[in-house]
Amino acid sequence: EVQLLESGGDLVQPGGSLRLSCAASGFTFSAHAMSWVRQAPGKGLEWVSAIIISGNTYYAGSVRGRFAISRDISKNTLYLQMNSLRAEDTAVYYCAKAARFTSDFDYWGQGTLVTVSS
Amino acid sequence: QSVLTQPPSVSAAPGQKVTISCSGSSSNIGSNSVSWCQQLPGTAPKLLISDNNKRPSGIPDRFSGSKSGTSATLAITGLQTGDEADYYCGTWDNNLNAVVFGGGTKVTVL
Repeated sequence: EVQLLESGGDLVQPGGSLRLSCAASGFTFSAHAMSWVRQAPGKGLEWVSAIIISGNTYYAGSVRGRFAISRDISKNTLYLQMNSLRAEDTAVYYCAKAARFTSDFDYWGQGTLVTVSS
Repeated sequence: QSVLTQPPSVSAAPGQKVTISCSGSSSNIGSNSVSWCQQLPGTAPKLLISDNNKRPSGIPDRFSGSKSGTSATLAITGLQTGDEADYYCGTWDNNLNAVVFGGGTKVTVL
């Protein structure tokens, strides 16, 4: 059974940093692209970042230069390092596994809440 | 402002059919496959349709997807109260080098 378990969400001040983790199980982690997708309160889905099989990384324009996605294949874990956080980064952050294409998310985690506020 | 355009809401009576449109451009829908996900209130999204029209295991055939040119459509037939949710289309954009989503469509069963 595929499982994605996010952790690391917290209340952080503007300008601060946070690292999210997503522990994956039930599939060959290195054989699938993985993404972070966020959802601000009452808003729609916003893709944040992806890391594909080759290890190449991609970012939404709103987070490029501030966020960094990475993975540890030995630990089956996906990470999102978030720096220079802003109020508009407040959201539930989901970890999502890609099926065949990078944008086909066949499994999602339960989400972790990041609140950026003073 | 989302790269992909969806209607904010659609509604129909139980048993009826609704369709949700997703409009994009040549750099996204026109060049790549489209997926659709369903988000029930208070839960994580769930994949409904992948690769334009393929249903994952366990998704009823009441849900179907299609694509033509730079637009895609999700159809739900035999509408049920349990289908009340937000629905999102998504795909890859070759110009942005990013995954793009529609703004979401809320389905209401009257």
